[in-house]
Amino acid sequence: GAGVSQSPSNKVTEKGKDVELRCDPISGHTALYWYRQRLGQGLEFLIYFQGNSAPDKSGLPSDRFSAERTGESVSTLTIQRTQQEDSAVYLCASSSRSGGGDTQYFGPGTRLTVL
Amino acid sequence: EDQVTQSPEALRLQEGESSSLNCSYTVSGLRGLFWYRQDPGKGPEFLFTLYSAGEEKEKERLKATLTKKESFLHITAPKPEDSATYLCAVNAGNMLTFGGGTRLMVKP
Repeated sequence: GAGVSQSPSNKVTEKGKDVELRCDPISGHTALYWYRQRLGQGLEFLIYFQGNSAPDKSGLPSDRFSAERTGESVSTLTIQRTQQEDSAVYLCASSSRSGGGDTQYFGPGTRLTVL
Repeated sequence: EDQVTQSPEALRLQEGESSSLNCSYTVSGLRGLFWYRQDPGKGPEFLFTLYSAGEEKEKERLKATLTKKESFLHITAPKPEDSATYLCAVNAGNMLTFGGGTRLMVKP
């Protein structure tokens, strides 16, 4: 079946503008995650959604970052007033059950460049 | 705080030269150790999940093993197409904590 998809694949924006990144999880996967990968660095957890439970936002770096998910479908990650340090690849993953030991499958990522 | 350290950071091998990648971890309540492969410009691709010390899993030229403190990814007779960054991650809650990765280059 189809894997995790993300759009856009690339986004170039100017400092101070808002951006929205989209993630379509694997159908039937109840858990959805956002990670950030800065150039030459490891993946950093941002936020986790599980069904209708309150999201785990413990990894969001500032209040300029927010994310939404409707039910068990699409999620959007919004970055307001973008800064140059926000430049990174933003990766989305989904899994079939709650966080635990279940395998997370990743999308191709959105490469964000803030000029 | 969960920590994952991978070594070496980069590894150059000749085709056919077997070697191992190391992943050392500190976590309270391991709920899974994961290996991923990441090619340039792409998202991580799942390879293996290990849950308990002593467990081993194999796929083609790759074999992953797990102890209470570390995991190894053994690569037997690698080919140039095995060149990629290999990522290790642990799950002790709602998210994965990743190591910095090992960049593997296999020369023909």
